[in-house]
Amino acid sequence: DVVLTQTPPTLSATIGQSVSISCRSSQSLLHSNGNTYLNWLLQRPGQPPQLLIYLVSRLESGVPNRFSGSGSGTDFTLKISGVEAEDLGVYYCVQSTHAPPTFGGGTKLELK
Amino acid sequence: EVQLVESGGGLVQPGRSLKLSCAASGFTFSDYNMAWVRQAPKKGLEWVATIIYDGSRTYYRDSVKGRFTISRDNAKSTLYLQMDSLRSEDTATYYCATGYFDYWGQGVMVTVSS
Repeated sequence: DVVLTQTPPTLSATIGQSVSISCRSSQSLLHSNGNTYLNWLLQRPGQPPQLLIYLVSRLESGVPNRFSGSGSGTDFTLKISGVEAEDLGVYYCVQSTHAPPTFGGGTKLELK
Repeated sequence: EVQLVESGGGLVQPGRSLKLSCAASGFTFSDYNMAWVRQAPKKGLEWVATIIYDGSRTYYRDSVKGRFTISRDNAKSTLYLQMDSLRSEDTATYYCATGYFDYWGQGVMVTVSS
């Protein structure tokens, strides 16, 4: 199975600070069809996960544009340009290029 | 608006069965692969099973193979998870999600304990 390693496991930030989360895959996530099925999710406390970014860098409808995704192959990054209070929670990367789909271990974003 | 509403969770003894349902609305259910994902208390997300849009193929994580069965009724826009021979390690919140994890339900708690 593909292993997704997220770093850091915990991130402390102040409001307005820009932060980045890394997701590294044990193998390339480039599908034979040319797509890279790497998504980013946010799970706020007590809530189900919600999609932020799909196909590495495409912003889900309704998600603020302070969120951005980048990367290719095995290395991916989620950036938040100016953290807001509503961004607190646990961020997960998830891949569905290879079966079975797998999730990263999560990065908890806290207020400093 | 896309909605996924799970039901059927609860407290069950080890070795017993439980069936989860997920009612979908707001999108063309029969066009989407669907999945179940679980989250043990204070833990991360774990994929459980996937079913192809027409029900022709199913996939399971190794730890539930032979015990869990994913199915769907496209006429009713409903996804199911039949869970047999439940173990304490199956205790988790179970989420229904679309196949690429773009839409999620609110989740339903399953507790396996004597």
